[in-house]
Amino acid sequence: DAGVIQSPRHEVTEMGQEVTLRCKPISGHDYLFWYRQTMMRGLELLIYFNNNVPIDDSGMPEDRFSAKMPNASFSTLKIQPSEPRDSAVYFCASSFSPFYGYTFGSGTRLTVV
Amino acid sequence: GENVEQHPSTLSVQEGDSAVIKCTYSDSASNYFPWYKQELGKRPQLIIDIRSNVGEKKDQRIAVTLNKTAKHFSLHITETQPEDSAVYFCAASMQSGLTFGGGTRLMVKP
Repeated sequence: DAGVIQSPRHEVTEMGQEVTLRCKPISGHDYLFWYRQTMMRGLELLIYFNNNVPIDDSGMPEDRFSAKMPNASFSTLKIQPSEPRDSAVYFCASSFSPFYGYTFGSGTRLTVV
Repeated sequence: GENVEQHPSTLSVQEGDSAVIKCTYSDSASNYFPWYKQELGKRPQLIIDIRSNVGEKKDQRIAVTLNKTAKHFSLHITETQPEDSAVYFCAASMQSGLTFGGGTRLMVKP
C-alpha cells in the first residue's frame, strides 16, 4: 500500500480564493481524519469520518471550512474564501479505529497571501 | 474539556544521554496512548504505543510507561543519537479520537 496520499504538497493562493485539499486513505481504513498543524496551536483535529460519514466536525474553525468524503478512497477539505490565518500544514490521517495508531499523509503546506 | 499536556516543550541532550518526555491527560476513560515522531518537514510517524492494561512497553532504545491512577505517561529514549532529533508528540484516546499534546522538540548534540 502506498500509504495515505495527499495532494497538493504545497499550495500558495491569494486571500479570497477557494482552496481544495485532497486525500486518499489507506485501503481498508474506515476512519479518516483531517488535522491542521501550526506553531501556535499544534496538531488540531478538524473533522473525522467513519465509513464516509462525518462523525465529529466540532474542530472545523468556521463555515468557510467544509469537508466531504464521497467514497471510501477519497476526501476533500475545502476553504472558501481563504484567509492568511488559514496558512498551516494540513494533514490527513487514516486508521482502523479512532483508538488505534493513525497513519498520516505527507501533508499539504498551505500559504495564503 | 479534553486535554493532553506535554512537557518539556524543548529538550536538549548530549549524544548518548537519556531523554524523558512526560504527558498528562484529563479523560480517565482514555485507554490508548501513542507516541509520534515528526522530523522537520515530514509527517508524524507512530514510534510506540501503549494500552491501559499495560504499565510499560519497550522497543529497543525506546520505552513508554503509563500510570493510569495519576493519568500520566512518559516516553524514555536511551543512548540518544543525532537522528533522534525531532519533535515528539504524545496522544491519548478521547471521545473524538486521539488528542495530541503540544509536542517536544528534542535536540541531540553530537
